[in-house]
Amino acid sequence: DGGITQSPKYLFRKEGQNVTLSCEQNLNHDAMYWYRQDPGQGLRLIYYSQIVNDFQKGDIAEGYSVSREKKESFPLTVTSAQKNPTAFYLCASSMRTTGNNEQFFGPGTRLTVL
Amino acid sequence: DAKTTQPNSMESNEEEPVHLPCNHSTISGTDYIHWYRQLPSQGPEYVIHGLTSNVNNRMASLAIAEDRKSSTLILHRATLRDAAVYYCILRDAWGGSEKLVFGKGTKLTVNP
Repeated sequence: DGGITQSPKYLFRKEGQNVTLSCEQNLNHDAMYWYRQDPGQGLRLIYYSQIVNDFQKGDIAEGYSVSREKKESFPLTVTSAQKNPTAFYLCASSMRTTGNNEQFFGPGTRLTVL
Repeated sequence: DAKTTQPNSMESNEEEPVHLPCNHSTISGTDYIHWYRQLPSQGPEYVIHGLTSNVNNRMASLAIAEDRKSSTLILHRATLRDAAVYYCILRDAWGGSEKLVFGKGTKLTVNP
């Protein structure tokens, strides 16, 4: 089955630690995205990548970093510089970034920083 | 950036049609109208999208106003599994993912 996987589903970390969230897709999509969702809120774009070895900042990139070394993988690192990292993180992919392409979302990772 | 406005919540009864409105008065000529829905603690799911003409698929119908300043997502027979938050989103046809904006959406409650 084609799709997007995110791991782990739940993640707990101590304050001050960096943590990396995994996102893998086997849909052969060029574009991948990371979003953050806080309780009762919509999604906010953190980073996106249109092609391997290239990525762009979204609306709330501060305190986060990404890499895109392989087409199928787009890991997100939440650094200690992120002031309020506890949130629900969603990874998505699409064939392209143009407007006629739907995005496919993973199941999400719920990060709690203690 | 073109924004959308949706009601915070709506309620429907099972097996009745549901019309979810969305206003996008500042839409540009190259913006596609997308709808996604999100069940609790899950990732959003694509529902439908369109540019100018009305669209139908197995999940829903999308009715787009002639001036494109508003649209309506139509669920023909609501089921309990349709209870979710529905997001109306504009996407530029020529790319620029930084323009993608998820608002708070409409929380749909379906009563048995």
